[in-house]
Amino acid sequence: DAGVTQSPTHLIKTRGQHVTLRCSPISGHKSVSWYQQVLGQGPQFIFQYYEKEERGRGNFPDRFSARQFPNYSSELNVNALLLGDSALYLCASSQSGRWGEQYFGPGTRLTVT
Amino acid sequence: LAKTTQPISMDSYEGQEVNITCSHNNIATNDYITWYQQFPSQGPRFIIQGYKTKVTNEVASLFIPADRKSSTLSLPRVSLSDTAVYYCSRGGGADGLTFGKGTHLIIQP
Repeated sequence: DAGVTQSPTHLIKTRGQHVTLRCSPISGHKSVSWYQQVLGQGPQFIFQYYEKEERGRGNFPDRFSARQFPNYSSELNVNALLLGDSALYLCASSQSGRWGEQYFGPGTRLTVT
Repeated sequence: LAKTTQPISMDSYEGQEVNITCSHNNIATNDYITWYQQFPSQGPRFIIQGYKTKVTNEVASLFIPADRKSSTLSLPRVSLSDTAVYYCSRGGGADGLTFGKGTHLIIQP
């Protein structure tokens, strides 16, 4: 079975630009969460979506937004990029939205110059 | 503020048992404790999850005392391929998963 997939793998953007990252969950999983992982740190929670509704939001500015589609795939959008947004963006899926049982994708490496 | 704290690094040898302990103060009643393994340039991989007492699966055991303020991941008979970063996380509710800063485990021959 395919795991969580994310696209693109790598991305380079300039300060002030906008970026859209995409995630496809494991088949049958209805919940998608997004995390930001800065080099040398653990992942930090950004959003959780379950059945297309936002269920949780971490301590990130309004420049970060997300949505989940009817097929349970998801997009993370970041506006007005800052240098500090450079990180690995991870998507995780789970069947029921129980927080612990999350399976992560390989991530999208975003570099802001 | 709830924090998750774990050792920065640990060394061990092939064939040994490795125990990594994490402290999680202010853990909420609904929080589960989950451990992940991460290799460079990859996403975290689920290892084991528990709520209290002891949980065992085919790769690890997880010990959680009654007060749930800490947890210990036990890896039996480690090999070189177990060299990775191990993350302790706690989570539940609208705050998502809270991860520690990770423990760099280095296994030597």
